[in-house]
Amino acid sequence: QVQLVESGGGVVQPGKSLRLSCAASGFTFQNYAMHWVRQAPGKGLEWVGVIVYDGSNEYYAESVKGRFTISRDNAKNTVYLQLNSLRVEDTAVYYCARNGFYYDSDGFDYWGQGTLVTVSS
Amino acid sequence: QTVVTQEPSFSVSPGGTITLTCGLNSDSVSASYYPSWYQQTPGQAPRTLIYSTNTRSAGVPDRFSGSILGNKAALTITGTQADDESDYYCMLYLRGAWVFGGGTKLTVL
Repeated sequence: QVQLVESGGGVVQPGKSLRLSCAASGFTFQNYAMHWVRQAPGKGLEWVGVIVYDGSNEYYAESVKGRFTISRDNAKNTVYLQLNSLRVEDTAVYYCARNGFYYDSDGFDYWGQGTLVTVSS
Repeated sequence: QTVVTQEPSFSVSPGGTITLTCGLNSDSVSASYYPSWYQQTPGQAPRTLIYSTNTRSAGVPDRFSGSILGNKAALTITGTQADDESDYYCMLYLRGAWVFGGGTKLTVL
């Protein structure tokens, strides 16, 4: 069965960096685009960004563009989210999610359980 | 700035039918925005209900259905059950980015 397991969250000071990982299993990882979505405490879901199936392109929400970077290692079935220049407002649970089969139309079909990032001095 | 709008809250009686909507502040929602719907209970990851307007995700009961109603996307729940009490989020694909609505908190009482 499809599994997505995030790791790497924790407490970090403003301005610092952190790298999150999402290990995938149960499907042919290299065939799917992968997303990161975050949820601040008590707030709604916010799309962070996506990396296409072969890692050749990434797209980001305006709120994180230039600070966050998504990458993937298809040999390790893992997608990463590098968070730089962290701000207090980046505090959130970060989820990875698999894009459905068709890139634009199929939404996100599987989600991980999330990892909490707390930005605080 | 593009904003995806949802009712902040809704209540329904057990066994009732409810329709949640998903709009855009700057346009009508059509199938070309590929609306999808997600259910989330507190402390849990989102669960995918509907994608591409009206396709149910695997394992989702047919009590849940998606459509376009007028100028909005819609999620209809029939025969509402107590464990349908959750937050519901719609998401639209907008010019290369995905945008969530603010969510609707559904209370079953």
